Amino acid sequence: DGGITQSPKYLFRKEGQNVTLSCEQNLNHDAMYWYRQDPGQGLRLIYYSQIVNDFQKGDIAEGYSVSREKKESFPLTVTSAQKNPTAFYLCASSTSNEQFFGPGTRLTVL
Amino acid sequence: QKEVEQDPGPLSVPEGAIVSLNCTYSNSAFQYFMWYRQYSRKGPELLMYTYSSGNKEDGRFTAQVDKSSKYISLFIRDSQPSDSATYLCAMTPFSGGGADGLTFGKGTHLIIQP
Repeated sequence: DGGITQSPKYLFRKEGQNVTLSCEQNLNHDAMYWYRQDPGQGLRLIYYSQIVNDFQKGDIAEGYSVSREKKESFPLTVTSAQKNPTAFYLCASSTSNEQFFGPGTRLTVL
Repeated sequence: QKEVEQDPGPLSVPEGAIVSLNCTYSNSAFQYFMWYRQYSRKGPELLMYTYSSGNKEDGRFTAQVDKSSKYISLFIRDSQPSDSATYLCAMTPFSGGGADGLTFGKGTHLIIQP
């Protein structure tokens, strides 16, 4: 089955720790994205990558980092500099016409 | 400045009713418009994608775009309890894949009462 997988589904982190969220796609899409969703806030763009070894900051990149070493993978690291990391994180990839989403990772900072 | 307005609801209607969901936007650069459905704790799934003013129909769903008024709508006919979800509008100046990401509304929580 083609699609986007995100792991883990639920993640708990202590304050001051970095944590990495996984995103893998087997759709052969060049472009990949990370969004954050908070209650009542909709989706906000964190980072995006249109091609391997290149990525751009979105609207709320502070406290996050990414890498794009492979076409299939676009991991997101939530660093200790992110002041409010508890949220639902969504990864997406796109064709020229449509953007598809993964199932999401819910991160909770304890 | 990116800005999309969408009433968060909740919007509660009886089963079988016609549902109307709406978004307004201020950036005239937006040319491509999408509606996503999101069930609780799941990723959004694409329902409709349009790029021209007018109506586009797909089964029980109709997407309507009025670029002159900067207003888009999604209509659901013969609503079912399984339609209960959050509906997100999204838009981009580029093609529907959103080269530099999509701009989303906050989503409308829809409840269909059996």
